[in-house]
Amino acid sequence: DAKTTQPPSMDCAEGRAANLPCNHSTISGNEYVYWYRQIHSQGPQYIIHGLKNNETNEMASLIITEDRKSSTLILPHATLRDTAVYYCIVRPRGTSGTYKYIFGTGTRLKVLA
Amino acid sequence: EAGVTQFPSHSVIEKGQTVTLRCDPISGHDNLYWYRRVMGKEIKFLLHFVKESKQDESGMPNNRFLAERTGGTYSTLKVQPAELEDSGVYFCASSQDKLAGFQETQYFGPGTRLLVL
Repeated sequence: DAKTTQPPSMDCAEGRAANLPCNHSTISGNEYVYWYRQIHSQGPQYIIHGLKNNETNEMASLIITEDRKSSTLILPHATLRDTAVYYCIVRPRGTSGTYKYIFGTGTRLKVLA
Repeated sequence: EAGVTQFPSHSVIEKGQTVTLRCDPISGHDNLYWYRRVMGKEIKFLLHFVKESKQDESGMPNNRFLAERTGGTYSTLKVQPAELEDSGVYFCASSQDKLAGFQETQYFGPGTRLLVL
């Protein structure tokens, strides 16, 4: 089972910031939070990841709460091309050196013109 | 740098036939993963290779599925014989092994869409 919960859908006006929340209340101390998105039926696209500090790259910002039980992905200026399903993944620690992803249902973000 | 590539992009076969999917990871990536999404379901992990060795096969649905990675480069996933419930999108992902595993980022290919009639 996925270790994260996300709202099933969100709308955002074009040009505005899109804030996508994720709850991961059972996260362990050494587990990273990853964000991916899937546009249409393409393969999941990596966006950003973090451990406990806030992170920013050319695509997005990731804000992780101090207790690490939730995080928010921020797309600062959403465009129509950002319409996609966004996945928040907390990868469980592998016991045999495997680091598989467990996908949940994600948030379907629709950017409106 | 080329990303993860998968072949074919689409495959339509009849029940009982055999299909082989191929994945070419990013050059230099030791880790290779297979995932799939069947209709209406979430993306599910199938298995993980480290170089040519199977590290985790826990997601393989049954013995009709056979994955190989000879030489530790590209990988194939064979379904024999295919059943209707095998229809879906099969994704491959790869990652480096340079960083500590917790930081490992997987990069996905475009997927192979399999339809079993």
